[in-house]
Amino acid sequence: QVQLVESGGGVVQPGRSLRVSCAASGFTFSSYEMHWVRQAPGKGLEWVADISYDGNNKDYADSVKGRFIISRDNSKDTVYLQMNRLRVEDAAVYYCARGQAARLGYYRGMDVWGQGTTVIVS
Amino acid sequence: DIQMTQSPSSLSASVGDRVTISCRASQGISNFLAWFQARPGKAPKSLIYAVSGLQSGVPSRFSGSGSGTDFTLTISDLQPEDFATYYCQQYNSYPLTFGGGTKVEIK
Repeated sequence: QVQLVESGGGVVQPGRSLRVSCAASGFTFSSYEMHWVRQAPGKGLEWVADISYDGNNKDYADSVKGRFIISRDNSKDTVYLQMNRLRVEDAAVYYCARGQAARLGYYRGMDVWGQGTTVIVS
Repeated sequence: DIQMTQSPSSLSASVGDRVTISCRASQGISNFLAWFQARPGKAPKSLIYAVSGLQSGVPSRFSGSGSGTDFTLTISDLQPEDFATYYCQQYNSYPLTFGGGTKVEIK
């Protein structure tokens, strides 16, 4: 079945770096854009970044632009989020989500989500 | 940036009730509007895409409507598993933005 599994979260000091990963299975990963969305404790959902199916186009929220880098390895069906110069306010559960697949004519928004990985900045 | 404003921020309802949640965009977003359900400790779940498209496996008691800047999520015949927080999201333009959420609580 279609599945996304995040990993790599943990406790990190402010100013340090962390990379989280999201492994996909059950679908043609290389055809889909992928997103990272986060939810800080007691807060709402915040879109963080996305990447096109081929990795050539990336977009970021202003709150992370210049510090976070989204990337993907289609040979490993995995998307990454490299988080640099972490701040206390970056602490959150980070979710990856499957986006659209324009090449397949599939336009259903963020239709599949992983269970999330927790990042604590302290 | 497009601001998404949801109302109410919370509501109390009973099993079997019909519930309506509103979402207003600060500018027109065509039909690029989605709804999500979030429950504590669980992954957010996509309910609706493109204003009114029902995601696979989502019960038909969930429906979406609206156009331009004003949108609505309706839950008819509220079930115990529907008590959760609901978010709208626009994907018309970057940065993608979510509403602040509407918490549906048991009366």
